[in-house]
Amino acid sequence: DARVTQTPRHKVTEMGQEVTMRCQPILGHNTVFWYRQTMMQGLELLAYFRNRAPLDDSGMPKDRFSAEMPDATLATLKIQPSEPRDSAVYFCASGLSSALNTEAFFGQGTRLTVV
Amino acid sequence: AQKVTQAQTEISVVEKEDVTLDCVYETRDTTYYLFWYKQPPSGELVFLIRRNSFDEQNEISGRYSWNFQKSTSSFNFTITASQVVDSAVYFCALSGNQAGTALIFGKGTTLSVSS
Repeated sequence: DARVTQTPRHKVTEMGQEVTMRCQPILGHNTVFWYRQTMMQGLELLAYFRNRAPLDDSGMPKDRFSAEMPDATLATLKIQPSEPRDSAVYFCASGLSSALNTEAFFGQGTRLTVV
Repeated sequence: AQKVTQAQTEISVVEKEDVTLDCVYETRDTTYYLFWYKQPPSGELVFLIRRNSFDEQNEISGRYSWNFQKSTSSFNFTITASQVVDSAVYFCALSGNQAGTALIFGKGTTLSVSS
């Protein structure tokens, strides 16, 4: 049963620390999305990649957030330094981009708490 | 700009009632895609349906049905004979016609089904 895998599932860290979240997209998918979910803002797009190239990261605070795809099987989202307002659930999703768009399959999310 | 509006923040029904979740969207694209996702209390986002803008045929899947009305820019979701297991947050989403375009989500509707 193919699925998007995110690690860690939960992370509690102190303000100022670096946080790295990892995502393994479904094998064969060439598009990866990072979303953040909070009660106030709902699901916000942070960044997405197609064929490992960043297409849009305008939703990310550039000074502290960075997203990369070192290879086709791994996407990372880093926050440095972390702040309490970064507390949220971070979702990774992957999809197969084609001439016809397709659905995005979501991982189970990383629940981040910054104290 | 693209936008998805789910005006109903919360809906409460009793088991076996029918319930309709509203979704209104805005886009300048002539070709676009609409989605519904379910987020149960466990937190994962589960894909329910994708609809292309050029296919206005309504769809039924078991107790679920979707009504796409291009004239009113709406893509409503009806659950027939609701069950307690339907309790979740339901998200409507929109993506554009570029391959791999990210999904833009509405704020979600929390559905509570009581026995």
